[in-house]
Amino acid sequence: EVQLVESGGGLVQPGGSLRLSCVAPESTLTNFWMSWVRQAPGQGLEWVANIKEDGSEKFYADSVQGRFSIYKNNANNTLFLQMNALRLDDTAFYFCAREGLGELFFDSWGQGTLVTVSS
Amino acid sequence: SDVLTQPPSVSVAPGQTASITCGGSNLGSKDVHWYQQKTGQAPVLVMFDDDDRPSGTPERFSGSNSGITASLTIARVEAGDEADYYCQVWAGSRDHPRVVFGGGTRLTVL
Repeated sequence: EVQLVESGGGLVQPGGSLRLSCVAPESTLTNFWMSWVRQAPGQGLEWVANIKEDGSEKFYADSVQGRFSIYKNNANNTLFLQMNALRLDDTAFYFCAREGLGELFFDSWGQGTLVTVSS
Repeated sequence: SDVLTQPPSVSVAPGQTASITCGGSNLGSKDVHWYQQKTGQAPVLVMFDDDDRPSGTPERFSGSNSGITASLTIARVEAGDEADYYCQVWAGSRDHPRVVFGGGTRLTVL
């Protein structure tokens, strides 16, 4: 398990934008697929998006397709989630998570950052 | 569609065995993974590929997948096992993969 540290959450109005960051240990982003997973307060987990080690493939949940964008800066060991056209139901804790090497599960998680969409 | 169904809650006395189920179609063709999430904390992987334990998961935890139902079983339950537990699979297609989580089960230690 590795340490992942998210930041960037906060209060934003509906229709607004926010960018989340996740700092990972060196070489994590170049060797592993990475995901964002969110959890509305008191609710269950919902996968948001993921990105391949080399950044060549990205996938999104239907609920965020076209509004959110996942990308990364390997030189700075930072994963990002650009969130546009935010809606009330995007309110949640957002976790970055590392996918197991060649596996389809999440073996490391950050502590999460809270995004609140409210007018 | 891929839906994973978990009981909202399971209660068990200390020292007893807890079984948390995860139902879904075609589970036999998928690897099921389990996460433990304690209040105010991030999820932690406790079981992967149906029945493999990551290092750090006590041997009291075991998993199974019958094809229709996957289960996470915790023997000799301790107060520290009280948490929400989520099952997870990958679904969809190669061009449109999706991660599916169950709704979660709150394990209460009486």
